[in-house]
Amino acid sequence: DTAVSQTPKYLVTQMGNDKSIKCEQNLGHDTMYWYKQDSKKFLKIMFSYNNKELIINETVPNRFSPKSPDKAHLNLHINSLELGDSAVYFCASSQLLTDQNYGYTFGSGTRLTVV
Amino acid sequence: DQQVKQNSPSLSVQEGRISILNCDYTNSMFDYFLWYKKYPAEGPTFLISISSIKDKNEDGRFTVFLNKSAKHLSLHIVPSQPGDSAVYFCALREGGYNKLIFGAGTRLAVHP
Repeated sequence: DTAVSQTPKYLVTQMGNDKSIKCEQNLGHDTMYWYKQDSKKFLKIMFSYNNKELIINETVPNRFSPKSPDKAHLNLHINSLELGDSAVYFCASSQLLTDQNYGYTFGSGTRLTVV
Repeated sequence: DQQVKQNSPSLSVQEGRISILNCDYTNSMFDYFLWYKKYPAEGPTFLISISSIKDKNEDGRFTVFLNKSAKHLSLHIVPSQPGDSAVYFCALREGGYNKLIFGAGTRLAVHP
């Protein structure tokens, strides 16, 4: 059973298109995240939702809009795609960190290529 | 400016020897420090963590050391095995919303 699943795994699309990436977790976690791994391999947080409420919103273009219909799902919609949006997008989930916590559980990533 | 730095992009170690991966940070407000391991085409997986009130945490072959005065975190793997070959990210928690700041990663290659 996959704990955090993202679809699609690969996405190739043309500039200007609108696309969505879906994420689901079956761990019962309260918090979900979107991270972007750019060409320099840095993992940077984009958004976080806790129980369907947006709690972290980093400096991300308005073309990116997260949506959380329930605490097990966090989708990412991207409007008017640009070449610079090409990256690997990771979804993750967690409970609040405790001394025995295991941090985030990540999905396997969605490789987005904008041509 | 990067708050978390992993200055070694790669490390090569012989099987059976110790692997030491390093991470430096600038923000004194980080309260949890984690290491993740990543294989190609997979998401990062949690390895080991330490809170800011401790200086060492051990789990089997993996030990994490925290030197708060030097703002330095390290991961020791001993003995190293070929299956440990992966990219290792340090991740530091900032603030109450469980936000993790990641380093750029170090690619570890363990050869026979």
